[in-house]
Amino acid sequence: GQQVMQIPQYQHVQEGEDFTTYCNSSTTLSNIQWYKQRPGGHPVFLIQLVKSGEVKKQKRLTFQFGEAKKNSSLHITATQTTDVGTYFCAGHRDDKIIFGKGTRLHILP
Amino acid sequence: DTAVSQTPKYLVTQMGNDKSIKCEQNLGHDTMYWYKQDSKKFLKIMFSYNNKELIINETVPNRFSPKSPDKAHLNLHINSLELGDSAVYFCASSQDWTGGLNTEAFFGQGTRLTVV
Repeated sequence: GQQVMQIPQYQHVQEGEDFTTYCNSSTTLSNIQWYKQRPGGHPVFLIQLVKSGEVKKQKRLTFQFGEAKKNSSLHITATQTTDVGTYFCAGHRDDKIIFGKGTRLHILP
Repeated sequence: DTAVSQTPKYLVTQMGNDKSIKCEQNLGHDTMYWYKQDSKKFLKIMFSYNNKELIINETVPNRFSPKSPDKAHLNLHINSLELGDSAVYFCASSQDWTGGLNTEAFFGQGTRLTVV
């Protein structure tokens, strides 16, 4: 069946360091979304990528969608304590929505 | 005003009981979802309704039955609760169904269900 693999599962970084999480789909996606969930909170939409090779930026966050529309990444530059949480990708294809298992980001002060 | 609201926030109940979780969205969206997040924080879609019609019905026990009285509401009824049903259940809504451009999902605050 269709899968969306997300790595790493956990990441501990020193405050100020960069962070990247990756998602890989076994099949071509129509679009991919990224969500952030703070500890004890609910997922909050960050961005949607639709086009092959698309790159979008939100302040310190950079999102990429691969040329084959099978993989995506989220990169955070110079992490801050407010970046703590779990980052999920969600791949859309036909009538399927599949979430990656998330990357839990922990910031060391 | 809360865009997607679900009640209750916490639910503790005994095995074998029947319980319901309610969800309402005031965003005028056409699509609503139920997700289950287990103790490992894995998010998995359970059901999706588009304009009150069932679109997605993932492999979940038939003890779980969604009901959509109108497109602003999607309730989840669970019969004969089991220990393994303990999880956080999230309701969500989006303007469009998957494949459309406006599929950004707005999530409710979650209902933490504990079966004892």
